[in-house]
Amino acid sequence: DGGITQSPKYLFRKEGQNVTLSCEQNLNHDAMYWYRQDPGQGLRLIYYSQIVNDFQKGDIAEGYSVSREKKESFPLTVTSAQKNPTAFYLCASSWGLSGANVLTFGAGSRLTVL
Amino acid sequence: GQNIDQPTEMTATEGAIVQINCTYQTSGFNGLFWYQQHAGEAPTFLSYNVLDGLEEKGRFSSFLSRSKGYSYLLLKELQMKDSASYLCAVMDSNYQLIWGAGTKLIIKP
Repeated sequence: DGGITQSPKYLFRKEGQNVTLSCEQNLNHDAMYWYRQDPGQGLRLIYYSQIVNDFQKGDIAEGYSVSREKKESFPLTVTSAQKNPTAFYLCASSWGLSGANVLTFGAGSRLTVL
Repeated sequence: GQNIDQPTEMTATEGAIVQINCTYQTSGFNGLFWYQQHAGEAPTFLSYNVLDGLEEKGRFSSFLSRSKGYSYLLLKELQMKDSASYLCAVMDSNYQLIWGAGTKLIIKP
């Protein structure tokens, strides 16, 4: 079955450490996204990519980095520069940035900073 | 600024009907989406409206009024499995999605 796989589902990090969240899709989608979800807030866009080897910052990119070396993969690194990284991270993909842009989401990764 | 407003939480009874409202103020409009998200899981797509009117899809319907900046999601014949958060999102003129904080729907027997 086609879909998006995120790993790990749960991750604990000490302050000062970088961590990388994996996101793989087999839907042949061109566009991929990373969102952060905090209680009581809407999804906030961290980074997105429309094509391999190209990506754009979203609304809250500071303290995060991404790469898009393959169409199927869009890993997110949460760096030590991110001041409040504890959150639920969602990866998504879609055919592109058209109007009827339905997103398919992964199951999410919950990051906790100890 | 851009803003999406939804009620934080709603409670309804199994078998009943519930309407979840969403009002928006955005820079341009290229469609409105509703997603369902069960606790700790991924959001899943429910509906997309770009023209005024009602779109019906089984027990779920979604309505849009662009002149009023208003949409609602109507859920009929509520089931316990409908207990979830419902997310409203609007695509603005730059094709960026603006998300509401979501409405947590609690279904009671």
